[in-house]
Amino acid sequence: KAGVTQTPRYLIKTRGQQVTLSCSPISGHRSVSWYQQTPGQGLQFLFEYFSETQRNKGNFPGRFSGRQFSNSRSEMNVSTLELGDSALYLCASSSASGYNEQFFGPGTRLTVL
Amino acid sequence: SQQGEEDPQALSIQEGENATMNCSYKTSINNLQWYRQNSGRGLVHLILIRSNEREKHSGRLRVTLDTSKKSSSLLITASRAADTASYFCYTGNQFYFGTGTSLTVIP
Repeated sequence: KAGVTQTPRYLIKTRGQQVTLSCSPISGHRSVSWYQQTPGQGLQFLFEYFSETQRNKGNFPGRFSGRQFSNSRSEMNVSTLELGDSALYLCASSSASGYNEQFFGPGTRLTVL
Repeated sequence: SQQGEEDPQALSIQEGENATMNCSYKTSINNLQWYRQNSGRGLVHLILIRSNEREKHSGRLRVTLDTSKKSSSLLITASRAADTASYFCYTGNQFYFGTGTSLTVIP
């Protein structure tokens, strides 16, 4: 099976802009989770989608949003970018839930200038 | 509450030595998983141990779980330079990963 793919791999934006990141899970996986990783805060959970519904949500402001399509592909959007949003954004897919093995994509490196 | 806090934060050993890292968590678990992350890349699943298991092996990896102490340890035997990475434990509860242990194996 093909692994989890994320596009784009690298992105440079300026403050105030918005950005959309994409994640394609492993075929057959219905759960997609998103994480933000920074040197200071480590891996922080953003949200999880399952069958097009947001099932779990982390403690991030409303500027961070996501969605999942019927083919399980997921997108996350960050509006009104801030310098502190610079991070590696990782998505992970699993067959059912957070208790299952998580398969991670390579990540999208976002730099906000 | 936070789950999956690793200890130590950083570990440096010589190639061929064993590396042990620990994880503590706060609430009941279904299972505990360990992941590895090479610099700037996605995480890779290493091993899963269920809450009713006490020890599990996979190649050079040995994981123990003590649910009474809410702790787990990951032992990497006969370490190699390629084992240099960050290691995270994960309990699935609230999708929390710890801050990780950064392992450096010196050739």
